[in-house]
Amino acid sequence: AQSVTQPDIHITVSEGASLELRCNYSYGATPYLFWYVQSPGQGLQLLLKYFSGDTLVQGIKGFEAEFKRSQSSFNLRKPSVHWSDAAEYFCAVGAPEYGNKLVFGAGTILRVKS
Amino acid sequence: EAGVVQSPRYKIIEKKQPVAFWCNPISGHNTLYWYRQNLGQGPELLIRYENEEAVDDSQLPKDRFSAERLKGVDSTLKIQPAELGDSAVYLCASSLDQQTGNNEQFFGPGTRLTVL
Repeated sequence: AQSVTQPDIHITVSEGASLELRCNYSYGATPYLFWYVQSPGQGLQLLLKYFSGDTLVQGIKGFEAEFKRSQSSFNLRKPSVHWSDAAEYFCAVGAPEYGNKLVFGAGTILRVKS
Repeated sequence: EAGVVQSPRYKIIEKKQPVAFWCNPISGHNTLYWYRQNLGQGPELLIRYENEEAVDDSQLPKDRFSAERLKGVDSTLKIQPAELGDSAVYLCASSLDQQTGNNEQFFGPGTRLTVL
């Protein structure tokens, strides 16, 4: 079965600074990988996804993520954080043989200080 | 295009009472999911429907939870009786078609359940 680890529970960055949120997964084959963002009281919004091909994936709101098979990682990055990026971020892995069931990490709460 | 609709948004009940949550997926989406999100954790799948068929309910506590998706569109998730530990956010999601491999799941805003 697949699993996801997000090592950082909270991260605080200054507005305008760069951001990297870590995600490590466990899965035997090439997984489907996702990053979702959740603002308070809201559902999850998809930022980006990786199915195959180019390992550097561009998403919405200026986010990108890089799939590194050798490290079993799919870290999320943004070159310059805006105050509106403050939210909780979830990495998820899906496996085709399990009906594309998504398994989520515990999330990373991003705080942005001005 | 309307997103996934859930109601109610908030529900407070006493333990041992029944409760039901309703979900209307995005039009044309064949696959529907119910997740439970406990405080400080990521969502965990409870049940997945392909049209009206429940194809993965291995994580659904069947002694007290039930779900249905009549006519393969709207879905209802029920808890009877509710326990204190059921306090969580219940999220509904839908996706277009599992067979195509396009697994982008679109989430509703969730129902926040508090059991007293």
